[in-house]
Amino acid sequence: QLHLQESGPGLVKPSETLYLTCSVFGDSMNNSPYYGGWIRQPPGKRLEWIGNISHSGDTYYNPSLKSRVSISMDPSRNQFSLHLRSLTAADTAIYYCARLSISGLLTAFDTWGRGTRVTVSS
Amino acid sequence: EIVLTQSPGTLSLSPGERVTLSCRASESVSSGFLAWYQQKPGQAPRLLIYAASRRATGIPDRFSGSGSGTEFTLTISRLEPEDFAVYYCQHYGYSGFTFGPGTKVDIK
Repeated sequence: QLHLQESGPGLVKPSETLYLTCSVFGDSMNNSPYYGGWIRQPPGKRLEWIGNISHSGDTYYNPSLKSRVSISMDPSRNQFSLHLRSLTAADTAIYYCARLSISGLLTAFDTWGRGTRVTVSS
Repeated sequence: EIVLTQSPGTLSLSPGERVTLSCRASESVSSGFLAWYQQKPGQAPRLLIYAASRRATGIPDRFSGSGSGTEFTLTISRLEPEDFAVYYCQHYGYSGFTFGPGTKVDIK
């Protein structure tokens, strides 16, 4: 059964870079098509899409975050990662990784990790 | 950028009741790219509905979705205790994915 798990630091200082990794279990990122995505949820706020990466390495980012974000993948480890630069307190959130399924009529995040809480503070 | 609004913000209901949640888009969107998620406290969102009306795998048939253009609805025909949660609509468009602010369904 497909299972995703986020890992990374829970506390990061302002102006630093956040590195999070999503490990995928029960499926292979080499399967085509495969898309991994990152979504975050600031405290008490709505979900915010950060970006996606395809099995071929193509990336798609939220325009509001595009200048600070990059997503990469390591198919040999069945992982994909998020890098978010120049952090501020506004980046404090729960960060989720998810599988984006695009097949027929389905274009949605159908499997999510449990999320990892990230606090930006000195 | 398309903005999604949801109403009401909170609903207080009893188990067994029927509930209809609204999602409105700032401009007409393709129903093929409208989804609904359920989120319980401390948990990740769960996909309920995609393409406006298609139930995701394993979702009970008391959940149904409908709508087109700028108006979409999620209906729960008969609330079960496990259905008390926050519900988000989501759209996929030219600028990526956007989520609504959510509707909280809590126990009366």
